[in-house]
Order: sequence, then C-alpha cells, then structure tokens
Amino acid sequence: GAGVSQSPSNKVTEKGKDVELRCDPISGHTALYWYRQSLGQGLEFLIYFQGNSAPDKSGLPSDRFSAERTGGSVSTLTIQRTQQEDSAVYLCASSTSGSRLETQYFGPGTRLLVL
Amino acid sequence: KNEVEQSPQNLTAQEGEFITINCSYSVGISALHWLQQHPGGGIVSLFMLSSGKKKHGRLIATINIQEKHSSLHITASHPRDSAVYICASKGVGGADGLTFGKGTHLIIQP
Repeated sequence: GAGVSQSPSNKVTEKGKDVELRCDPISGHTALYWYRQSLGQGLEFLIYFQGNSAPDKSGLPSDRFSAERTGGSVSTLTIQRTQQEDSAVYLCASSTSGSRLETQYFGPGTRLLVL
Repeated sequence: KNEVEQSPQNLTAQEGEFITINCSYSVGISALHWLQQHPGGGIVSLFMLSSGKKKHGRLIATINIQEKHSSLHITASHPRDSAVYICASKGVGGADGLTFGKGTHLIIQP
C-alpha cells in the first residue's frame, strides 16, 4: 500500500509569507507526527496527533507554527510570517495507534527555503 | 529532559568491516528507535526496541536499559550501507514525539 506522502516536496518562499505543508498518513494510522530537520540542528519533534485527542504541541518552536488534522487523516502544518530560520526539511510520520512500542513510518519530507 | 548522544559522529570503514554505532540517553525511556537516512532520501525505520536485542539481515540492535545505552551493529558492511544512522528515544511520559541523536554519518568504501 501507499506510504506517507507529503506535499509539496519543495517550497521556496519569501520572508514574511505564510506557508502550508501537507501530510497524508498511511491509511488507517491514527497517530501522526510532525518533525523538523534543520542543518546543524538535527531532527526535532514539533507536534503529535492521536485520534480525536487534543494534539501534543509541546515541540512547536513559536506561535507562528500551527497544525491541524482534519477527519483524523490529512494534516496541514502552517507557518505564518516565515523567517529564514524556518528553512528546514519538514517531515511527517505516522504509526498505527501511537503506542510507545510502534514503528513510525516517515514521509519524504518537504524542503522549505525561506529567502 | 532526555538527551540522546551518538558516537561516532562520522565513521569511514572498508567494505566487509564490522561496524558499531553507539547511542546513550539520559533518562528512562519506553522505546529506542534506530533510523537510516540516505543522502537526499527519506528516513527509514530500522529497529524499534525496548529491551534485549533484535536482528534483521546484517543489522543487529541491542539495548541495555540499566546502562541507558544502545548499539547498532552492521556485519559484513557494504558500500550501500553508507548513510546517516540516527537513534531516537520515545519517552515514558511528556511529549510523545521522538527525541533524536545528531546522527552518525557512515561511509563504507569499496
């Protein structure tokens, strides 16, 4: 079956613009994660959705970042008033139920460049 | 806050060599993940373990819960094993996302 997909694969934007990044998890997976991979910073957790529960937003770096998950499936990560330090690869992952002992399946990422 | 440390940061070896990558973490965890990232490629999950040892082909992952340490071994290494290997921990409580090490950049020369 299809894996996790993300769009767009690349995004170039100007500083101050808003961007939306999309993630389609594996069908049937109720847990969805957003991560960011910056040069020199490694991977960091941003936000976690599990079913209909309130998302865990503890990793979001500022209030310019927000995410939604509609209908328990597709998720959108929005970055408002983008800054150059937001340039990174944004990765989405999903797992079956969010159990701590589950494999996470990663999407190919969206490479964001803020000029 | 959990800190995840990996060593070495970079490793170059000859084809056929036995490879060991180490990972240590600072607080109790519920699971430890080993991930592989090829240049320009996506991230693939290799192992998820909470105790003991797992083996898949030429890859072996071990974890020592008491010592807060895990190792990834590659036997009979091959140039196609060249990639960044990342260990990541899943906490017992708090945020449910993974906490990542900075990765080990492995190059296997023919």
